[in-house]
Amino acid sequence: QSVLTQPPSASGTPGQRVTISCSGSSSNIGSNTVNWYQQLPGTAPKLLIYSNNQRPSGVPDRFSGSKSGTSASLAISGLQSEDEADYYCAAWDDSLNVVVFGGGTKLTVL
Amino acid sequence: QVQLVESGGGVVQPGRSLRLSCAASGFTFSSYGMHWVRQAPGKGLEWVAVISYDGSNKYYADSVKGRFTISRDNSKNTLYLQMNSLRAEDTAVYYCAKGQGMATTSGAFDIWGQGTMVTVSS
Repeated sequence: QSVLTQPPSASGTPGQRVTISCSGSSSNIGSNTVNWYQQLPGTAPKLLIYSNNQRPSGVPDRFSGSKSGTSASLAISGLQSEDEADYYCAAWDDSLNVVVFGGGTKLTVL
Repeated sequence: QVQLVESGGGVVQPGRSLRLSCAASGFTFSSYGMHWVRQAPGKGLEWVAVISYDGSNKYYADSVKGRFTISRDNSKNTLYLQMNSLRAEDTAVYYCAKGQGMATTSGAFDIWGQGTMVTVSS
């Protein structure tokens, strides 16, 4: 059971907009920034969004992040087949003194 | 280029020890906190441990506390994970990852290694 809660799966058709949620608590998302990772099959994770809504250099602006209270969301617009991957949210937890991850969401492009 | 390369994985019997290494290049290693993250086969990501830029602060997941030790040698640009009393549930791909900013207590990792597989089995 992960500390951060994500839906196990999501799907969309090419060109569509998809959102993935991440729910936490006051000790993690509520008091620290949220980060999102994309993991393509058979590869290492890649930082997609940091500090709630910042994109590292090279990440397309189709990807965006937001946070409100103890929840966060990742939005992908103009969905493409290469976006099919696992997506994880992560944040520091002040009570546990650890980094907590969501269980991951498998995105399928139909 | 900026790179992290893990080594030291393999097959080990339960109760035995293993030491993983992570060689860093292309950035000022001594300026950043460094993390270990693992992923069991077919499972999600699990954070393992972090060490501050100078080695003065370390934090561990409860699942490894007391068994694993994270350390670094800034003169060699290398991160380590000493794993003792290994269990079957420690079987996973182990990734080293660079902290994105200066803070040790952050969940942002901007550079990841390719991972090294650790299998604990008799």
